[in-house]
Amino acid sequence: DAKTTQPPSMDCAEGRAANLPCNHSTISGNEYVYWYRQIHSQGPQYIIHGLKNNETNEMASLIITEDRKSSTLILPHATLRDTAVYYCIVRMDSSYKLIFGSGTRLLVRP
Amino acid sequence: EPEVTQTPSHQVTQMGQEVILRCVPISNHLYFYWYRQILGQKVEFLVSFYNNEISEKSEIFDDQFSVERPDGSNFTLKIRSTKLEDSAMYFCASSEALGGDNSPLHFGNGTRLTVT
Repeated sequence: DAKTTQPPSMDCAEGRAANLPCNHSTISGNEYVYWYRQIHSQGPQYIIHGLKNNETNEMASLIITEDRKSSTLILPHATLRDTAVYYCIVRMDSSYKLIFGSGTRLLVRP
Repeated sequence: EPEVTQTPSHQVTQMGQEVILRCVPISNHLYFYWYRQILGQKVEFLVSFYNNEISEKSEIFDDQFSVERPDGSNFTLKIRSTKLEDSAMYFCASSEALGGDNSPLHFGNGTRLTVT
């Protein structure tokens, strides 16, 4: 599975959009981009995933560049409860596992 | 919304003892997984399980570890003879499919294993 690069930490103000970048320059055609988050020591929580089109659900939006070498997770109106470690993971379609990196620690400030 | 449940939430055991961690995956899911996270470290893949057999395992998953789906609802991780370095959070996960829209893994909230 392709490697991803994320900034170690970010912060944003409550109520503003949080834009979390991820670089996956070696991604191949059949690899999906997944985003998870982990709040404190809870289990990783699935947020969103996509292949090449932008995706939106009730939690977030995922913007994937046309060359698929990078993506951005957008939390449109961050709340204090969005403070967590966010993981961008590239996973081959039909692979049995997700490989977690170090992620981005997002702090939402009041 | 259906969720993966894990019991117990915290397990304390003595070194050398056997321990079984239990999970109830989401009911229509077919693929099951165990991960662990040592305090302050990354979430690490241990094993995946499908159709009553291991489909993939990591180097961590040595002969001390085993998994089982003893009935239609439970999925267990057994550590035969625990070591101090087995102390970690153990997360169970399940997914409906491997690819496409139904492929995301859904995780439980973990069992904290403390080996003394």
